[in-house]
Amino acid sequence: DIQMTQSPSSLSASVGDRVTITCRASQSISSYLNWYQQKPGKAPNLLIYAASSLQTGVSSRFSGSGSGTDFTLTISSLQPEDFATYYCQESYTTPRTFGQGTKVEIK
Amino acid sequence: QLQLQESGPGVMNPSETLSLTCSVSGGSFNSYNHYWGWIRQPPGKGLDWIGSMSSSGDTYYNPSLKNRVNISVDTSKNHFSLNLNSVTATDTAIYYCARHTIERSWDGFDDWGQGTLVTVSS
Repeated sequence: DIQMTQSPSSLSASVGDRVTITCRASQSISSYLNWYQQKPGKAPNLLIYAASSLQTGVSSRFSGSGSGTDFTLTISSLQPEDFATYYCQESYTTPRTFGQGTKVEIK
Repeated sequence: QLQLQESGPGVMNPSETLSLTCSVSGGSFNSYNHYWGWIRQPPGKGLDWIGSMSSSGDTYYNPSLKNRVNISVDTSKNHFSLNLNSVTATDTAIYYCARHTIERSWDGFDDWGQGTLVTVSS
């Protein structure tokens, strides 16, 4: 199985901050990397697919980059509704695996 | 807009078979690039993919569960189901159904149900 490791596991930030979350795969996954946002009590929501493509309806303050083994999710200016847990997920092979999550909290 | 809704038992005993159904409305169920998948999340923990199936019967399972899991699709009713046998407390989780889009350039879960909590306890 491919292991997906996110860092940090949690972070505290203020409204307006630029936030970056990283995800590292245990082997190359090309650009088969997705990012999801999950708010408490809710299902995950797809933000970014294929490493850098913005899902329809998602704010342009979210962006993704990377290929191979190293990927980043960036929130350009953190908004109150962005406080949530973020997961990366590889789709290069079976089983599809998720990172352990990064919780973004209010400072 | 596509909507998915899980239904299932809520609480069950160890060694029983978990059966969940996901009803799909508001979109096409038979597209060539749409699979229908299950993902679970133990309370307070991360996400684990269980498996996905296309409307034509093509199936992917997580090898860690493959011996206990079966996913089926009923195109006449626009729903798909998960059976997980011999459950234990470690199967306690929120179970989500999701549309799993598989394209040449990308592959991911782009619509989700709200999730249903299944608790395994004696």
